[in-house]
Amino acid sequence: GQQLNQSPQSMFIQEGEDVSMNCTSSSIFNTWLWYKQDPGEGPVLLIALYKAGELTSNGRLTAQFGITRKDSFLNISASIPSDVGIYFCAGRFGGSNYKLTFGKGTLLTVNP
Amino acid sequence: NAGVTQTPKFQVLKTGQSMTLQCAQDMNHNSMYWYRQDPGMGLRLIYYSASEGTTDKGEVPNGYNVSRLNKREFSLRLESAAPSQTSVYFCASGGNNEQFFGPGTRLTVL
Repeated sequence: GQQLNQSPQSMFIQEGEDVSMNCTSSSIFNTWLWYKQDPGEGPVLLIALYKAGELTSNGRLTAQFGITRKDSFLNISASIPSDVGIYFCAGRFGGSNYKLTFGKGTLLTVNP
Repeated sequence: NAGVTQTPKFQVLKTGQSMTLQCAQDMNHNSMYWYRQDPGMGLRLIYYSASEGTTDKGEVPNGYNVSRLNKREFSLRLESAAPSQTSVYFCASGGNNEQFFGPGTRLTVL
């Protein structure tokens, strides 16, 4: 099946620092999605990307759809304590019949 | 709009018992999905329904059955629960690209 490699697995940062995480795939994807999951909750969609090279922001979050269509990154600027959680990338490749492939997540801890 | 709702939130079963997890969405989405989430394994697709009246197996379907009752509702049934099915179960709904998740059901099988 399709593989998504998400890195890093975990990050420990100080409040106010910027954060970057990325995902790479073995196949070309048509869609990249970034989710955040708080403890005890379901994943919440943060940003959706649909075109190669697309750069989209949502507040302090910025994500890009890689030019090769095999990667995406998520940046968080000026982190705050409520940014703590697990961040997942997900992608859909052509012919996947509405199914998404998920990365294993990046656990973010922010020290106040 | 409630989005995607799931019941129950928590459940403890004994090995061999059966139960049905319920999911409903009010976003008029055609597609609905069931995932399980285990530590270190990420989200794994159990079954999905691309439209009302159709269901298909995902990555880990063994031990589960599903029913797409109507456009809004998609249930997941465990006929004979096993300890390996201890997990957090998420329902999701979506269109062609994005998926939106429910709050999850935490299931423990003793």
